[in-house]
Amino acid sequence: AQSVAQPEDQVNVAEGNPLTVKCTYSVSGNPYLFWYVQYPNRGLQFLLKYITGDNLVKGSYGFEAEFNKSQTSFHLKKPSALVSDSALYFCAVRDMGTGGFKTIFGAGTRLFVKA
Amino acid sequence: GAGVSQTPSNKVTEKGKYVELRCDPISGHTALYWYRQSLGQGPEFLIYFQGTGAADDSGLPNDRFFAVRPEGSVSTLKIQRTERGDSAVYLCASSPTPGQGIGDTQYFGPGTRLTVL
Repeated sequence: AQSVAQPEDQVNVAEGNPLTVKCTYSVSGNPYLFWYVQYPNRGLQFLLKYITGDNLVKGSYGFEAEFNKSQTSFHLKKPSALVSDSALYFCAVRDMGTGGFKTIFGAGTRLFVKA
Repeated sequence: GAGVSQTPSNKVTEKGKYVELRCDPISGHTALYWYRQSLGQGPEFLIYFQGTGAADDSGLPNDRFFAVRPEGSVSTLKIQRTERGDSAVYLCASSPTPGQGIGDTQYFGPGTRLTVL
C-alpha cells in the first residue's frame, strides 16, 4: 500500500536562510508526487508536482523539490525563506502501479520562518 | 466561478442526524475527490469520481458514508447516523481528466467543517 511520511512536525528557519521540508514515500509502482501548502483559514494550494522527467521540479513561490528514486524521497526546498512562507506543508503521492487515482497525504509539516 | 466551492462552510449537527455536504467543482473538471481532514492530520482520501461514476470509493470508512455526482458536476457527500468521530473538515477537490499531466493537479475547495455534538 502507498504511504507518505513527513518526519518533522515542525521546521523553524530564519528569514533569508534556505529551507528544507522532508518527505519520503512508499509505492508499489511509479509515483506521482505532490506538494501542497495550507495557509490559515485558506484551502490547500498546489505548489509543485513530479510526474516524470527531470528529477528537480520547480514550482510556485520559488519552491522546488527533488525526486530521489533510490532514497524514495521528495524533499521540498527553497533557497531563501520568507516570513510569508510560514504555513502547513503537505506531501502527497499517487501510486501509478495500482492504476488508481487515490492520493495519499502526509500528516503535514508546519514551517515557521522567523524575521 | 473561479474555484471549487463547498457549502455549507460550517455544519453543526447532533449525533444520529443525517447531513449532506455539497461540492461545486471547477467548470469542466471531470475528476472530483472527497477528503476528510481531522485536526493535526493530512487529508484522508474518501472517494474519487470520474464523471458521474465513483471510480474509487475505497476510502469511505463505512456504509454510513455515501457520495453522488449524478450529472458529472456537483457532488454531494451524505453521512447517515452521524457520530462524534465524524467531526472533521471535509474537503473537496477537482481536476481535469487525470493521467494527462495537467490533470493530476487537484484544486481544493475551502472545506466544510462538520461538528457532531
